[in-house]
Amino acid sequence: KNQVEQSPQSLIILEGKNCTLQCNYTVSPFSNLRWYKQDTGRGPVSLTIMTFSENTKSNGRYTATLDADTKQSSLHITASQLSDSASYICVVIHRDDYKLSFGAGTTVTVRA
Amino acid sequence: EAQVTQNPRYLITVTGKKLTVTCSQNMNHEYMSWYRQDPGLGLRQIYYSMNVEVTDKGDVPEGYKVSRKEKRNFPLILESPSPNQTSLYFCASSLYRGGETQYFGPGTRLLVL
Repeated sequence: KNQVEQSPQSLIILEGKNCTLQCNYTVSPFSNLRWYKQDTGRGPVSLTIMTFSENTKSNGRYTATLDADTKQSSLHITASQLSDSASYICVVIHRDDYKLSFGAGTTVTVRA
Repeated sequence: EAQVTQNPRYLITVTGKKLTVTCSQNMNHEYMSWYRQDPGLGLRQIYYSMNVEVTDKGDVPEGYKVSRKEKRNFPLILESPSPNQTSLYFCASSLYRGGETQYFGPGTRLLVL
């Protein structure tokens, strides 16, 4: 069964600090990997999309990395802001049937 | 503005009373889908549609129905809601399945008593 596991489940950081979220997956072969940001009470919004050939992709203060050999991805948040408080979801898309596999998400709380 | 809209945003109902949650997108997307989100479980796909009149089951289709008569609309129907269908529901659309960014609606919070 294709799975996507995210860690940690939640974390608290101080405003201005950096943090890294992890995503390990077993989906194979995979087409692309996405990170979404979901604010409380709202729908997820896409942050990055990476194909298997891409190692890094940035979107402002968000940088996603991908190691297709070890089936790991990370999302790094630089100089966190209060508005970064949200749930971050890793999604992996299977190459053959384009089925989406979702991680359970990491809840990030940024405190002043 | 490109968007996915859902209605209603909040709904309280009783067991067995049929309900419909509407979903509409204005981006001419072919692919649309419904998800439910429960604490600790993440998003799970209920149904999806590759195009008009083409729908298929996702991972958790039991107790739900969908239809796709027009490209822009993809309603979710609960014929006889039960308390275990209490959840947060999201509609999403993309140009096609898998290769493009999915745009999510704002969500519908459903409570079945």
